[in-house]
Parts: sequence; structure tokens; C-alpha cells
Amino acid sequence: GENVEQHPSTLSVQEGDSAVIKCTYSDSASNYFPWYKQELGKRPQLIIDIRSNVGEKKDQRIAVTLNKTAKHFSLHITETQPEDSAVYFCAVHTGTASKLTFGTGTRLQVTL
Amino acid sequence: NAGVMQNPRHLVRRRGQEARLRCSPMKGHSHVYWYRQLPEEGLKFMVYLQKENIIDESGMPKERFSAEFPKEGPSILRIQQVVRGDSAAYFCASSPGTASYEQYFGPGTRLTVT
Repeated sequence: GENVEQHPSTLSVQEGDSAVIKCTYSDSASNYFPWYKQELGKRPQLIIDIRSNVGEKKDQRIAVTLNKTAKHFSLHITETQPEDSAVYFCAVHTGTASKLTFGTGTRLQVTL
Repeated sequence: NAGVMQNPRHLVRRRGQEARLRCSPMKGHSHVYWYRQLPEEGLKFMVYLQKENIIDESGMPKERFSAEFPKEGPSILRIQQVVRGDSAAYFCASSPGTASYEQYFGPGTRLTVT
């Protein structure tokens, strides 16, 4: 089955700096790559996604890049703010059944 | 526009009891997914259902776990004879259909087995 690796597991940045989280996947047929933000005790919240026919997508301070050849994709957060502190999960759409395979998560801490 | 609803939000069961978790998808969504999240871990796929059909249950444990999505009413995840290892957060997600990959999550049910 699909294998998704996510790095780093923890990331601490100063307010205003950028944060980058990377994920790799194994199934070359994967075609949809969402990112979720999960605050403590809350639901995973879809923040941005990208499909395999697109190399980059941006939404205000958040961007995602996809390299299909290398089978990796990244989340970029610019001008980080304290409210960006949370656990971020990448995921990969697998197969015709549409299930998502999740990475292990990155705990982002934005310090003042 | 109500989001995905789950209840109860917290559930405490003693070992050997049954747990029933309910999920109502977003309006207009006909596809439901259940995921389990252990403390400090990621989400693991359990089962994917459409109305009256189980499409993919490859992530479900072979015993004690079952799921349904009846024609009327919410989707139910049922865990029989719970054990301590079943303690986790169980999240339901819904999507509009096979042409749309986006999945939106409910608030989860936190199951504690004592």
C-alpha cells in the first residue's frame, strides 16, 4: 500500500519567519495531495490541496508544491503567526476507493 | 451550512462493553469515511461507505468492528467488547462524491475504555 513520510516531526520558528514541511509518497498513481491543520483537541481542517496535474498552488500565506517525478510535495507557510501553531498533516489520495493515507504529522510552534 | 456532525463527542466505556459512534455527513455529501487517531499519532483509515454500501473496509480490524451507512440516518461505527487499546479519537469525514476528492472532518468522538 501507499507509504507517506513526513518531515520534520517538530518545527519551531519565530513569528514572521517561513516554515516548510515536506512529504514523500510511494505510489506513482497518487493524484491528490491535501494538507490538514489540527489544533489540540480539534478536528483536522483542510487548509490547501493540490492535484497531480498542477505543480504549485498558493492561497495567501500558504503554498503547496508538488514534484511528481521525485514523488514529494511540500507545504510552505510565509510570515508565520502564533495562530499558525498546530500539528500539520499531509495526506495522499490512494486508489479508486478515495481513501487518504496520512503522514505522521509535524508539530509547528511559532514563537514570539 | 452545517458541517460534519459526530456524536457523542466523548464516550467512556468499560472493557467488554459496546461503543456506538455516529456520524452525519455534510448536506449534499454521500460518501463517508472513518479514521482512527491514537494519541500523538496520525490518522489511520478504517472504512469508506456510501449509502447502504461498504466500499472499502481494508483498514478495519477483522473482529469486533463494524460500520454501516443506512438509507436513512447517520453512519454508525460499532465496536463490540471494547478493550483498552480501542481508546482513541475516531473521526468521520465526508465528501460529495467520487469526482471530488476533498474530505471534510467532523469534530471526532474521543473514546476512553476503562
